[in-house]
Amino acid sequence: KAGVTQTPRYLIKTRGQQVTLSCSPISGHRSVSWYQQTPGQGLQFLFEYFSETQRNKGNFPGRFSGRQFSNSRSEMNVSTLELGDSALYLCASSYNQGALSYEQYFGPGTRLTVT
Amino acid sequence: GQQLNQSPQSMFIQEGEDVSMNCTSSSIFNTWLWYKQEPGEGPVLLIALYKAGELTSNGRLTAQFGITRKDSFLNISASIPSDVGIYFCAGQLGSGNTGKLIFGQGTTLQVKP
Repeated sequence: KAGVTQTPRYLIKTRGQQVTLSCSPISGHRSVSWYQQTPGQGLQFLFEYFSETQRNKGNFPGRFSGRQFSNSRSEMNVSTLELGDSALYLCASSYNQGALSYEQYFGPGTRLTVT
Repeated sequence: GQQLNQSPQSMFIQEGEDVSMNCTSSSIFNTWLWYKQEPGEGPVLLIALYKAGELTSNGRLTAQFGITRKDSFLNISASIPSDVGIYFCAGQLGSGNTGKLIFGQGTTLQVKP
């Protein structure tokens, strides 16, 4: 079974631009969560989508948004990029049924650099 | 944001030695997960724990869910060079927080052959 895939793997953007990152979960997984990883703050939860609905949200500004499609694929968007948005953005999927609900499997991440 | 207290921050050990790391929190968690991350990759799930007191092994790795539900530890026995990486603990607070993991700061492990 294929793992979580994320595209693109690397991205360089300029301050003020916007960016869209894509995530394809493991087949059969309905929940997709997004995280930001930086050396200073570590891994921080952005939001979680389940059945095309945002179910949980972390403490990030409204410039960070996401959505999920009917095939469970998810995208996240960051508008008006700031230098501090430079980070590794990780997507994780989970089966979300029964006892295995909380086992999240991560993709390789998208490395975003804002200049 | 909220984080778990993970220690030690880093370890430099000799091949063959055992390793122990732990995570503590002031909050009660329903689930504890342990991940390993290597450079340029996303975290890889090592062990998942669901019940207080639960002890689970995965090869040379053993992890336990603390009785108080506020802590967890991970042991690696007989370390080998490929154990090098950053190990993270992660917890989920409860059913209302489905899909949201809170992570420790990570333990960087280096193994000298």
